[in-house]
Amino acid sequence: DIQMTQSPSSLSASVGDSVTITCRASQRIENYVNWYQQKPGKAPKLLIYAASSLQSGVPSRFSGSGFGTDFTLTITSLQPEDFASYYCHQTYSTSYTFGQGTKLEIK
Amino acid sequence: EVQLVESGGGLVQPGGSLRLSCAASGFRFSSYWMSWVRQAPGKGLEWVASIKEDEGEKFYVGPVKGRFTGSRDNAENTLYLQMNSLRTEDTAIYYCARLEVARRGRFDYWGQGTLVTVSS
Repeated sequence: DIQMTQSPSSLSASVGDSVTITCRASQRIENYVNWYQQKPGKAPKLLIYAASSLQSGVPSRFSGSGFGTDFTLTITSLQPEDFASYYCHQTYSTSYTFGQGTKLEIK
Repeated sequence: EVQLVESGGGLVQPGGSLRLSCAASGFRFSSYWMSWVRQAPGKGLEWVASIKEDEGEKFYVGPVKGRFTGSRDNAENTLYLQMNSLRTEDTAIYYCARLEVARRGRFDYWGQGTLVTVSS
């Protein structure tokens, strides 16, 4: 199976800051990467698909990049509602895998 | 509006069985792959299974192969997950998700989840 190594596992930031979360795949996966946001007690929500495409309705302060093995999710000008957990996800193989998650907390 | 509503979770003893359902509405169910994703308490997300539109292809994560079976009823717009020989490590919230396969594939809609607890 393709392993997705996500870092950091937790992150503290303030409203207005910019943050970057990274995900490294154990093999080349082109741009078969998605990013999800999950708030406590809620289902995940799709933010970015195909590494860099913004899902409809998602604010433009969220962006994704990467190709091959290294991928990033960047959130600029953090808002209070952005403090949540984030997961990367690969769909290159039919055995899908997620990163272990990053918990973004308010500093 | 796309809606996915899971049901069927509960408490079951190790070795027992449970069938989860996911009722879909707001889109042409028969035109989409569907998936199950689970999340153990306090842990991350784990993909469990994906079922093709016509059930012609099904994929499962390793630890559930041979124990879980995904199926669907396109006439009733419902996705199922039959879980047999349940283990304590299967304890999790189980989400159903629509799998949009265009442009690399993604889970674009999720249900609210149903909790499965395997314990004696």
